[in-house]
Amino acid sequence: GQQVMQIPQYQHVQEGEDFTTYCNSSTTLSNIQWYKQRPGGHPVFLIQLVKSGEVKKQKRLTFQFGEAKKNSSLHITATQTTDVGTYFCAGLVYNFNKFYFGSGTKLNVKP
Amino acid sequence: EPEVTQTPSHQVTQMGQEVILRCVPISNHLYFYWYRQILGQKVEFLVSFYNNEISEKSEIFDDQFSVERPDGSNFTLKIRSTKLEDSAMYFCASSGDRPGELFFGEGSRLTVL
Repeated sequence: GQQVMQIPQYQHVQEGEDFTTYCNSSTTLSNIQWYKQRPGGHPVFLIQLVKSGEVKKQKRLTFQFGEAKKNSSLHITATQTTDVGTYFCAGLVYNFNKFYFGSGTKLNVKP
Repeated sequence: EPEVTQTPSHQVTQMGQEVILRCVPISNHLYFYWYRQILGQKVEFLVSFYNNEISEKSEIFDDQFSVERPDGSNFTLKIRSTKLEDSAMYFCASSGDRPGELFFGEGSRLTVL
């Protein structure tokens, strides 16, 4: 069945270091979304990517969608303690009305 | 800012009991979802609902589960006979478009004893 894999599972960084999480799908995706979940909170939408090879930036966050629309990445430059949380990708498969969430990458930032 | 609201925030129930989790999606949204998250694990899709009917459901969403939109504002998830493994955080989400940003509620934590 459809799977969306995400690595790494955990990442511990020193404040100011960069962070990247990767998402891979077993099938081609229609689009991909990224969410952030703070500890004890609910997922909050960050961004949606639709086009092959698309790159979007939000301040220190850079999101990429692969050319084959089967992988994606989120890169955070110069992490801050406010970046702490779990980052999930969620892929939408063509002709289906459900997002497949990746397993998430839990980011811890040490001050 | 409009938000998705869920009640109850926490429910404790005995195994075999019926549970209803309630959600009020954002008022002009058309697509509704239930997801669940077992503690520390990923967000798992349960069901999507559009135009007053289920559009997709996962293998988890078996005959013990049902959804309803009884009055045009509420969106409920019913678990007929709860099992221990149903213990999880249940998130309701709604979207104005497909595909579109999913707005999640704060979640309902279900504990089955």
